[in-house]
Amino acid sequence: NAGVMQNPRHLVRRRGQEARLRCSPMKGHSHVYWYRQLPEEGLKFMVYLQKENIIDESGMPKERFSAEFPKEGPSILRIQQVVRGDSAAYFCASSREGDGYGYTFGSGTRLTVV
Amino acid sequence: AQRVTQPEKLLSVFKGAPVELKCNYSYSGSPELFWYVQYSRQRLQLLLRHISRESIKGFTADLNKGETSFHLKKPFAQEEDSAMYYCALGNDYKLSFGAGTTVTVRA
Repeated sequence: NAGVMQNPRHLVRRRGQEARLRCSPMKGHSHVYWYRQLPEEGLKFMVYLQKENIIDESGMPKERFSAEFPKEGPSILRIQQVVRGDSAAYFCASSREGDGYGYTFGSGTRLTVV
Repeated sequence: AQRVTQPEKLLSVFKGAPVELKCNYSYSGSPELFWYVQYSRQRLQLLLRHISRESIKGFTADLNKGETSFHLKKPFAQEEDSAMYYCALGNDYKLSFGAGTTVTVRA
């Protein structure tokens, strides 16, 4: 079992471009969570998804950010028109149905906006 | 609002010495607390959670509701304990993390 796979590991975007971050959950896991870690801060919850459903997006910025977890394929976190303040590490975690905090984290994607 | 505070950004100890990482929280309900660890170039992984009351890799943590603390302790630090440690508080399925403490264990 390869665990939670995130790609790319590092992503550099110019201001105004779009960033797409991918997360493939562990086999058998149907719940996906995205967290963001700004420099010198702890991880902050962004969004919780199940297949084809956004359950809780209370931590997502209101504009430019969106997430999806389609029936087939990885979960995608999309950031449109990136700004310097979006530079951060983005972590994905997955869990089984009913497993509460039984998260498995991915290695993260480090986004740098130049 | 819930909040997790880890007052020490860096902690350096000698091998064989005790180590204690501080964690304080604020939460109006009954908290569920965790410690996560990230070794160099590895992913974040769960070290322990308070409800299980386990000792993992020699680490223990006791929830003190009176002091709203969940400090992580190990009586004899090992070099392989050098890592980044995060305290986290659970609310439903969401975790709120502290800013982390980097522990360096010197030979």
